[in-house]
Amino acid sequence: NAGVTQTPKFRVLKTGQSMTLLCAQDMNHEYMYWYRQDPGMGLRLIHYSVGEGTTAKGEVPDGYNVSRLKKQNFLLGLESAAPSQTSVYFCASSYSGGLEAFFGQGTRLTVV
Amino acid sequence: GENVEQHPSTLSVQEGDSAVIKCTYSDSASNYFPWYKQELGKGPQLIIDIRSNVGEKKDQRIAVTLNKTAKHFSLHITETQPEDSAVYFCAASRGNAGNMLTFGGGTRLMVKP
Repeated sequence: NAGVTQTPKFRVLKTGQSMTLLCAQDMNHEYMYWYRQDPGMGLRLIHYSVGEGTTAKGEVPDGYNVSRLKKQNFLLGLESAAPSQTSVYFCASSYSGGLEAFFGQGTRLTVV
Repeated sequence: GENVEQHPSTLSVQEGDSAVIKCTYSDSASNYFPWYKQELGKGPQLIIDIRSNVGEKKDQRIAVTLNKTAKHFSLHITETQPEDSAVYFCAASRGNAGNMLTFGGGTRLMVKP
């Protein structure tokens, strides 16, 4: 029972590089989310999806793009990484909006 | 939109003592209030939640209370143990499709043996 799986777990990028974070869930959840966690600022929603083929902006979407081509996968892309995007990124999924969310283990990203 | 404030940001207690973490929310239409525990190097995990139709909910050593009039809710941990040391997050939402969870800033709880 894997739940929510994120890859990679750690990554170091140089400023201007691009990368994609992958999230996979095996619970058949409709909703998927990407959060970033910074010290003292809790969890802030970047983008979310309410179903396959849909995406929407969250609280802090600038500099990120997402795609949900398959129901079980939600990809987060950084086109041109900046030091301000150094953070821990969490993917989550839920059966419905605003209810219990299941989180992945996180991806620690450092942009130098 | 919803705004959730959480206090304190850090809390240190002696093993066996009680710990209380408080949150306030701004959206009077919010009716679902979960609490998450995040251990070091892991993702947050739901430990207890409460809906607005009840004022209190207990699960062994943890309990959550809700005051809808004052728009605040609290997490109570009794007989704390070292394994309770973690970061705790409160959250709030309207609990229906199209509404997202809004999280508080987190509380780092340290239980000293």
